[in-house]
Amino acid sequence: GAVVSQHPSWVICKSGTSVKIECRSLDFQATTMFWYRQFPKQSLMLMATSNEGSKATYEQGVEKDKFLINHASLTLSTLTVTSAHPEDSSFYICSARVTGRPQHFGDGTRLSIL
Amino acid sequence: DQQVKQNSPSLSVQEGRISILNCDYTNSMFDYFLWYKKYPAEGPTFLISISSIKDKNEDGRFTVFLNKSAKHLSLHIVPSQPGDSAVYFCAASVSGTASKLTFGTGTRLQVTL
Repeated sequence: GAVVSQHPSWVICKSGTSVKIECRSLDFQATTMFWYRQFPKQSLMLMATSNEGSKATYEQGVEKDKFLINHASLTLSTLTVTSAHPEDSSFYICSARVTGRPQHFGDGTRLSIL
Repeated sequence: DQQVKQNSPSLSVQEGRISILNCDYTNSMFDYFLWYKKYPAEGPTFLISISSIKDKNEDGRFTVFLNKSAKHLSLHIVPSQPGDSAVYFCAASVSGTASKLTFGTGTRLQVTL
């Protein structure tokens, strides 16, 4: 149980394009979803917390206009990296949780901006 | 400011022996701690957790110990198996913050035959 699906797993695109990443909880309804970013050999850094139907809460230093989060339902959250540039290249991971339970993570999306 | 630290970037243990992974934290508000295991190009998988009201939690081969006065926790894996080879992250959260997790930098465990 507690499966979180993230799509796509790997994206390569040109600088200036926007990229959308989907995160779905497949067998449970998530009260909260989280988006993380991981640079090579570094820790997972929380970018934002989102609850269904409300605006995402962004961590300090994360540009909300750059990283658009839409949490349309209890099973789906999307992260759109707008006008992506090479410095946005990273490993993006989502997680989902039900109140009182640990976060369960997707398998991540490797984003490479050329 | 790294609030959760894993000072050993790597650890090598022989199969069948005990693996001990350590984690230190600085924020005294943290009251819930978790260990995740991560393979390359995959998301972290939840292993075990502990609340600050306990000092030990056990699940099969995995035991987590918490020393609140030292702000230190450790994960013991015994016996270690080759399939345990992965990167292990400890994470901490503060109650009432929607369970935002602060992760450590990870320890790469290699279990050798």
